[in-house]
Amino acid sequence: AQKVTQAQTEISVVEKEDVTLDCVYETRDTTYYLFWYKQPPSGELVFLIRRNSFDEQNEISGRYSWNFQKSTSSFNFTITASQVVDSAVYFCALSNDYKLSFGAGTTVTVRA
Amino acid sequence: SQTIHQWPATLVQPVGSPLSLECTVEGTSNPNLYWYRQAAGRGLQLLFYSVGIGQISSEVPQNLSASRPQDRQFILSSKKLLLSDSGFYLCAWSVRPLNPYEQYFGPGTRLTVT
Repeated sequence: AQKVTQAQTEISVVEKEDVTLDCVYETRDTTYYLFWYKQPPSGELVFLIRRNSFDEQNEISGRYSWNFQKSTSSFNFTITASQVVDSAVYFCALSNDYKLSFGAGTTVTVRA
Repeated sequence: SQTIHQWPATLVQPVGSPLSLECTVEGTSNPNLYWYRQAAGRGLQLLFYSVGIGQISSEVPQNLSASRPQDRQFILSSKKLLLSDSGFYLCAWSVRPLNPYEQYFGPGTRLTVT
């Protein structure tokens, strides 16, 4: 069975602070994919990143960065210099076939 | 480019009434299609997925059903709604074979059962 745990329910920061979202996963598969999605107040889920289990290179995209550590089964997401527009629910997800297993989500509130 | 549509955007229905939510995808062929439900303040639960016309897999036993009458059309239905069916329903698609695991979501339908 696959499981994704996002232990942080809510995080509140002041604008320009960095914020790191934790994601821990469980799977017995050797090949799998990890994802992060953003859900702004409008409700639509926005795809942010996909990482496969054989690629442990960290990735940076603008103010976003991801740290994949297979040894600890973690795929953490950092927003650098947060902005009010980053306020959203962020979901980590795991897949080894056509289906995604989502974590419960972390609500990020960035205050001006 | 690909787009995904869902309607209606919001819906208020009484308990016991029927339900039909529609999802269509444009700009791609033979996609995988998915229905998710998100209860208030909670994560996403996969309800159904489809890899082709008429092919539906159910993930959670419930009073909902899904159909795929056309390649890019996915419908979520119920004969009699329950209060517990309230939630935010999201349709998603993914492309085979290039990115079968990467899913793209529609704008969602917010359903309130009263």
